[in-house]
Amino acid sequence: EVQLVESGGGLVQPGGSLKLSCTASGFSFSGSAIHWVRQASGKGLEWVGRIRIKSNNYATSYAASVKGRFTISRDDSENTAYLQMNNLKTEDTAVYYCTRPVLWLGFSFDPWGQGTLVTVSS
Amino acid sequence: QSVLTQPPSVSGAPGQRVTISCTGSSSNIGAAYDVHWYRQLPGTAPKLLIYSNNNRPSGVPDRFSGSKSGTSASLAITGLQAEDEADYYCQSYDSSLSGSEVFGTGTKVTVL
Repeated sequence: EVQLVESGGGLVQPGGSLKLSCTASGFSFSGSAIHWVRQASGKGLEWVGRIRIKSNNYATSYAASVKGRFTISRDDSENTAYLQMNNLKTEDTAVYYCTRPVLWLGFSFDPWGQGTLVTVSS
Repeated sequence: QSVLTQPPSVSGAPGQRVTISCTGSSSNIGAAYDVHWYRQLPGTAPKLLIYSNNNRPSGVPDRFSGSKSGTSASLAITGLQAEDEADYYCQSYDSSLSGSEVFGTGTKVTVL
């Protein structure tokens, strides 16, 4: 079964840092880009960023709202992607999902992890 | 912040047909980038419903269909069922600035 599992969420103060993990199973992790998407409570989905595969030089791209504060990385030997979040703001409070684009599904996202909640509050 | 606009809500009685629009621009849907649709049940992660404008993944009933024209796309649900009550999101790619994935504002479907 193809599965993505996020972890690392929690409560952090404004200005603080947090690192989320996304652990994959059931597919070739090293051959798949990984995207992060977040959702504030009662709000819509917001794309956060993505990391490509080794043959694409692990290229990253970020939403304007997090650029310069968030960093995506991956460890293919551990089948895990990471989202390092620095200088967190209250507006970063959200459930964070990781997902993968699937070639044979037109690069749509499938599946999604269950999400991990990040709360930025003093 | 979303660049794809959806109606906040649509509703219908069981058995009826409802449609959800997704309006973009020349840098996303209008630039021929594919549109995908996701359904999100309360308290759960989004799940792929339609990919590449009008294709259903395995296991999705043919009550769900998608279409795309110009700078807009639509999702239609026929034979509405109580279990279809959920939030629905469109998604595409936007080539403006440095390029990014973009989601619609989301639509809440209510079964009356």
